[in-house]
Amino acid sequence: QSALTQPRSVSGSPGQSVTISCAGTSSDVGGYNYVSWYQQHPGKAPKVMIHDVSERPSGVPDRFSGSKSGNTASLTISGLQAEDEADYYCCSYAGRYVVFGGGTKLTVL
Amino acid sequence: EVQLVESGGGLVQPGGSLRLSCAASGFTFSSYWMHWVRQAPGKGLVWVSRINSDGSSTSYADSVKGRFTISRDNAKNTLYLQMNSLRAEDMAVYYCARDGGGLHYWGQGTLVTVSS
Repeated sequence: QSALTQPRSVSGSPGQSVTISCAGTSSDVGGYNYVSWYQQHPGKAPKVMIHDVSERPSGVPDRFSGSKSGNTASLTISGLQAEDEADYYCCSYAGRYVVFGGGTKLTVL
Repeated sequence: EVQLVESGGGLVQPGGSLRLSCAASGFTFSSYWMHWVRQAPGKGLVWVSRINSDGSSTSYADSVKGRFTISRDNAKNTLYLQMNSLRAEDMAVYYCARDGGGLHYWGQGTLVTVSS
């Protein structure tokens, strides 16, 4: 049950695109198409932005997209906006368990 | 509207016990797996436990196995987390979350403080 590996921080200017990576193993990210991404603003509960690798819940802007290659998943945010500044967590099912990444702080410059 | 409302958090001494509750509404509770996730102050999200829809199957993170017990009462639309032998490192905001398209819905969390 080791945590998935995310960069501690990423940044971008408004209108730009950023990609957050999430590295796992064949026992979690690589073994299941159950990767999800969560956005968390300070003091708030997490909000699902992507589930099942690339599915976007209703209400989530199409600027958010997800993908996976091998044992690494990615979240791409295009057309950055100020309100996208938050912490982002990846998550994967791993058989009977669930594992989160350590989180990435996105700064919109 | 889906709502998840946690309760039961508070201050407890090391070695003590606490039972958290999560009241669910706005969906058919008995149809969904449920999870507990915690977040220590200033730290990231950590999965704690999950339970299947009828309560017959549970899983735990290694850090809480043998000390925490997840359960549910589908008649009361309520999820529980019994926490025993609490340690300082268990101090966190505890969230309940509904499965179904990732952890699709989250409560606002309840704070557990472990201190003497």
